[in-house]
Amino acid sequence: GAVVSQHPSWVICKSGTSVKIECRSLDFQATTMFWYRQFPKQSLMLMATSNEGSKATYEQGVEKDKFLINHASLTLSTLTVTSAHPEDSSFYICSASPGAYYEQYFGPGTRLTVT
Amino acid sequence: KQEVTQIPAALSVPEGENLVLNCSFTDSAIYNLQWFRQDPGKGLTSLLLIQSSQREQTSGRLNASLDKSSGRSTLYIAASQPGDSATYLCAVRPRNYGQNFVFGPGTRLSVLP
Repeated sequence: GAVVSQHPSWVICKSGTSVKIECRSLDFQATTMFWYRQFPKQSLMLMATSNEGSKATYEQGVEKDKFLINHASLTLSTLTVTSAHPEDSSFYICSASPGAYYEQYFGPGTRLTVT
Repeated sequence: KQEVTQIPAALSVPEGENLVLNCSFTDSAIYNLQWFRQDPGKGLTSLLLIQSSQREQTSGRLNASLDKSSGRSTLYIAASQPGDSATYLCAVRPRNYGQNFVFGPGTRLSVLP
């Protein structure tokens, strides 16, 4: 099946710094990638949808300037958490899809801890 | 707005039992419904995908049914094993809201040896 990777798998950073998380589709071209956030013992909440070559669409309540998303190629999307604070600590999961209404393939997630 | 709920929130059973996990959604206009498994601190593993035109899907000991008109899906796990212990999430892709998934809160399953 289709494989999606994320890097890093976990990261610890100091408050005020920025962190970049990569999401890659390894064996297919992903026209659309999704970024989710998951707090402990809670379900996944969609943060934004990104289509290759265009600006990301953010869900209500998600700060665009806080969570920068770039989908510059058909196999790579990045999420940058800018000026991270402890409340940004969470599990971030991406998914990738070959096209509209195709199945989504999920990455293994990235655990972010901000101290 | 589509909302997804799952019952029960948590379940603990002895090994060998047959299980039923329930998922309900408020808007029947869906494109598909998918069941996932998530182990602690890990990503999602897709278990079964049911298109809106389908009634059920089977994979090994897993069987998922879909009743779109009543807004329900059920995941059956036969002959449960300790390795089945995980959180099970259902997610629907609403037909009217683009490509986004709406996830349920999950059912945390513990199968005791």
